[in-house]
Amino acid sequence: DTGVSQDPRHKITKRGQNVTFRCDPISEHNRLYWYRQTLGQGPEFLTYFQNEAQLEKSRLLSDRFSAERPKGSFSTLEIQRTEQGDSAMYLCASIGQGNSPLHFGNGTRLTVT
Amino acid sequence: GESVGLHLPTLSVQEGDNSIINCAYSNSASDYFIWYKQESGKGPQFIIDIRSNMDKRQGQRVTVLLNKTVKHLSLQIAATQPGDSAVYFCAENNQGGKLIFGQGTELSVKP
Repeated sequence: DTGVSQDPRHKITKRGQNVTFRCDPISEHNRLYWYRQTLGQGPEFLTYFQNEAQLEKSRLLSDRFSAERPKGSFSTLEIQRTEQGDSAMYLCASIGQGNSPLHFGNGTRLTVT
Repeated sequence: GESVGLHLPTLSVQEGDNSIINCAYSNSASDYFIWYKQESGKGPQFIIDIRSNMDKRQGQRVTVLLNKTVKHLSLQIAATQPGDSAVYFCAENNQGGKLIFGQGTELSVKP
């Protein structure tokens, strides 16, 4: 499978716990994006990386959220002290050089109880 | 259809009919637009894209029309099939390569 891979697919956690999600982009894609999607809504931009550099963060990304892409390949998104409002689908997408469409993974569905 | 709270606009069509899904975008400076299809439990899947220097682009069974004057985008699906049932999102490239998504339309195909 050469698509964007996300792990885990589902995560259930208790409020206050920390969670970490992983994204493996399409090989050689230098830009990687994180989006969040709640039920009935379109994906909302959170942050993106060009290689290992985090170039933009949305105001949606509170200080409890942190994303890394240490070697310019896979990325992790960590949420600390989870709240019920963090329950959502977290989508990762990647894109190569030039103008081409974002390719999305199948997301990690987070449920905070 | 009307969208209230978490309810998506919906479109119901008969199998074999043509479908037209509409989208209004917000930024007149956007220069790249994409339609995505999202099935339940999956991420958005690319369907077709169009740049602002075009007003029409055709793919296999799909056509995208862009009207920059009124900031309107539409997706036409020919001979709609049950496998086309999904939520469809338009997205605009709004600076720096990040995409801004619309609310989405749920397409239901009746056999």
